[in-house]
Amino acid sequence: ELKVEQNPLFLSMQEGKNYTIYCNYSTTSDRLYWYRQDPGKSLESLFVLLSNGAVKQEGRLMASLDTKARLSTLHITAAVHDLSATYFCAVAIKETSGSRLTFGEGTQLTVNP
Amino acid sequence: DSGVTQTPKHLITATGQRVTLRCSPRSGDLSVYWYQQSLDQGLQFLIQYYNGEERAKGNILERFSAQQFPDLHSELNLSSLELGDSALYFCASGRLKTGLNEQFFGPGTRLTVL
Repeated sequence: ELKVEQNPLFLSMQEGKNYTIYCNYSTTSDRLYWYRQDPGKSLESLFVLLSNGAVKQEGRLMASLDTKARLSTLHITAAVHDLSATYFCAVAIKETSGSRLTFGEGTQLTVNP
Repeated sequence: DSGVTQTPKHLITATGQRVTLRCSPRSGDLSVYWYQQSLDQGLQFLIQYYNGEERAKGNILERFSAQQFPDLHSELNLSSLELGDSALYFCASGRLKTGLNEQFFGPGTRLTVL
């Protein structure tokens, strides 16, 4: 059974600081996703990582994937308050008939002024 | 706005009742996924349909069922509701044929069972 673990689960940081969220998964996967969720809202797609060594950046967020280590990271640079949200990684294992997502527990990020 | 619509936004009902949640996928998407988000279980995959056919099943209870109609909208039926079924139910849609196989999530239906 595929397991996806994130850490930390809770992260409180000051504006302007850098930090990294880690996502480990237990079996080989061909796709990894990062989503953002604001309280009571839907999931917003941030990144899709397809291959070993993939790196994608959008604004103050950068995601990377190491398929050999089964590890993805989401790096936050110079955090601002607007980044406060819960961040989920999700792993997909392509099956012949579809591609379900298995989610991590989520990292609740709070950026303090 | 992802382009996925879900109705209703909120649903309050009593134990033992039955409810139906509705989802309309993005234009052009043939695949619909249902997920449940609760405090104790996190985000869990329930079931997937592709062009009207069931394609994958996750941790979906026997009291729950789903279907996808010819116009590609999907419904999730929850029956004999229990307090523990209170959760946020998301529908997502996607196109299997693209390499990214990205899933786009709807706004969710918040179900409260009293």
